[in-house]
Amino acid sequence: AQSVAQPEDQVNVAEGNPLTVKCTYSVSGNPYLFWYVQYPNRGLQFLLKYITGDNLVKGSYGFEAEFNKSQTSFHLKKPSALVSDSALYFCAVRATHLNDMRFGAGTRLTVKP
Amino acid sequence: DAGVIQSPRHEVTEMGQEVTLRCKPISGHNSLFWYRQTMMRGLELLIYFNNNVPIDDSGMPEDRFSAKMPNASFSTLKIQPSEPRDSAVYFCASIKTGSDQETQYFGPGTRLLVL
Repeated sequence: AQSVAQPEDQVNVAEGNPLTVKCTYSVSGNPYLFWYVQYPNRGLQFLLKYITGDNLVKGSYGFEAEFNKSQTSFHLKKPSALVSDSALYFCAVRATHLNDMRFGAGTRLTVKP
Repeated sequence: DAGVIQSPRHEVTEMGQEVTLRCKPISGHNSLFWYRQTMMRGLELLIYFNNNVPIDDSGMPEDRFSAKMPNASFSTLKIQPSEPRDSAVYFCASIKTGSDQETQYFGPGTRLLVL
């Protein structure tokens, strides 16, 4: 079975500070890992993914995530947060031999000016 | 590309009525997913299709829910009869499996309110 845990319902950071949104996963076999962002009244937008290769993945809007196999984690990071980054963030995992994807419960990021 | 298209964007109906949600996946994508999002339960996978064939419908809440994909460019999710607890945002997503993209692309969602 595949599953994702986002341990924090909410993350608050000040503008200009670094941010981290945590994600751990469970999957049999090798994982595909994804981060999506959802703005109010919008669908989910793809941010970045890890498929294979370099453990540090860079994505849209200055976000990056590091795949850590030993800790089964894929935390989302950004060096300097913007107010406009405030949104709901979802981590997702998919086993490479399966088609369906499992999403975490989401973490609401609030960046205060 | 227009992306994943869903209709209607908003639906308000009364309990007991039939509701049909529609989705057009991205051209060339061969897998389609229906999700439901609520505050209480988050994002739930309801069903997904691969090459128009339903693969896993274990997330469908009950027999009142049904989904079809008659061809590669169209899918429906039907609720009959609808109940207030079905109120949620329903998302459709598509992917081209076997490609190096492996990314699901989501539609804008249908916001359903059952009174």
